[in-house]
Amino acid sequence: SQQGEEDPQALSIQEGENATMNCSYKTSINNLQWYRQNSGRGLVHLILIRSNEREKHSGRLRVTLDTSKKSSSLLITASRAADTASYFCATDAGYQKVTFGIGTKLQVIP
Amino acid sequence: NAGVTQTPKFRVLKTGQSMTLLCAQDMNHEYMYWYRQDPGMGLRLIHYSVGEGTTAKGEVPDGYNVSRLKKQNFLLGLESAAPSQTSVYFCASRHYRQRGRETQYFGPGTRLLVL
Repeated sequence: SQQGEEDPQALSIQEGENATMNCSYKTSINNLQWYRQNSGRGLVHLILIRSNEREKHSGRLRVTLDTSKKSSSLLITASRAADTASYFCATDAGYQKVTFGIGTKLQVIP
Repeated sequence: NAGVTQTPKFRVLKTGQSMTLLCAQDMNHEYMYWYRQDPGMGLRLIHYSVGEGTTAKGEVPDGYNVSRLKKQNFLLGLESAAPSQTSVYFCASRHYRQRGRETQYFGPGTRLLVL
């Protein structure tokens, strides 16, 4: 079964707007990671947030983590057409592997 | 560095045929993984390996076998392909468990169609 579940499953916004994606998970984790997948390609790591962190930034990306609610959010500010992709959260519970959610498909309209 | 490479990129099989997917990484990573990706299902772990000569089952291992004879290579085998194995297969690798090295690096994927 999937550990992480992203919400929404699909999101369409205008270029320049902010995009927010959410991830919920079920068990305790060591860290949570976000990946991006362009159509027909492999996944690319974006950012990692540890269980003792609440917020992390990387360029136009902001990730938050609420371990009490077992949820995380990924915010992409000032979106660009090139941000069009699927975004996945992955939870690392310390068993030598991570578990991926089903992803959010983001479309940024120029 | 080539990173993680997968061979072949695309393959069509008939039901009952066998094939092997090859994954190679040149980053000296200890851990390697095979996933399948299906519409609406995200990535599901098939098998993984935490070192040369060791393998373990993931979430959906039935119908697949793996081998890790060399540290840089991880092979995924289908002994008797079924239409349900039509999917996109991704290989990934990462360093062993160490703070700051948890990132997985993915290959470009292999599209498999079983008729």
